[in-house]
Amino acid sequence: DTGVSQNPRHKITKRGQNVTFRCDPISEHNRLYWYRQTLGQGPEFLTYFQNEAQLEKSRLLSDRFSAERPKGSFSTLEIQRTEQGDSAMYLCASSLNGGKEKLFFGSGTQLSVL
Amino acid sequence: QQQVKQSPQSLIVQKGGIPIINCAYENTAFDYFPWYQQFPGKGPALLIAIRPDVSEKKEGRFTISFNKSAKQFSLHIMDSQPGDSATYFCAALTQGGSEKLVFGKGTKLTVNP
Repeated sequence: DTGVSQNPRHKITKRGQNVTFRCDPISEHNRLYWYRQTLGQGPEFLTYFQNEAQLEKSRLLSDRFSAERPKGSFSTLEIQRTEQGDSAMYLCASSLNGGKEKLFFGSGTQLSVL
Repeated sequence: QQQVKQSPQSLIVQKGGIPIINCAYENTAFDYFPWYQQFPGKGPALLIAIRPDVSEKKEGRFTISFNKSAKQFSLHIMDSQPGDSATYFCAALTQGGSEKLVFGKGTKLTVNP
């Protein structure tokens, strides 16, 4: 399978704990995006990387959130001091020639904060 | 602030029916309008997209109709099948500037056999 891979698929944590998610984009895709999706809503943009550079961040990305993409390959999204409001599906997407017009999404990481 | 309004929230049709999902936008800077299809437990997948310089685009059984003056666009699914049962999201973006894709809230479509 050469699609976007996200791990873990599910994460249950207690409020106040830190969590980290990983995204492996499609090989050679230089653009990588993180979105968040809550129940009954469409995905909301969090941040964008071109290669290793984080070029855009949403105001939704509070200072408890940090994303990295070392070496321009996989990416990690860390949430510190989790809150119940952080419970959501965290989606990663990548693209190449189509840019933001053609995103390939992974299956997401479902986070539940108890 | 919801920049793309989508309706209905849910839709049930019989096999062979033509479900129609509607979206409206406010930001006239939007210049590309994709539709994504999402199955349970999966991420959204690009289905079809349109630019505002055309009024209609067809790909297989899926058609987008676009009304630039009304700032509205819609998705029609011809000869719908049970396998089309999924959640559909309209979206919008500006090709210059922000990388952000703005999604509607989604329409859950059920196609009964």
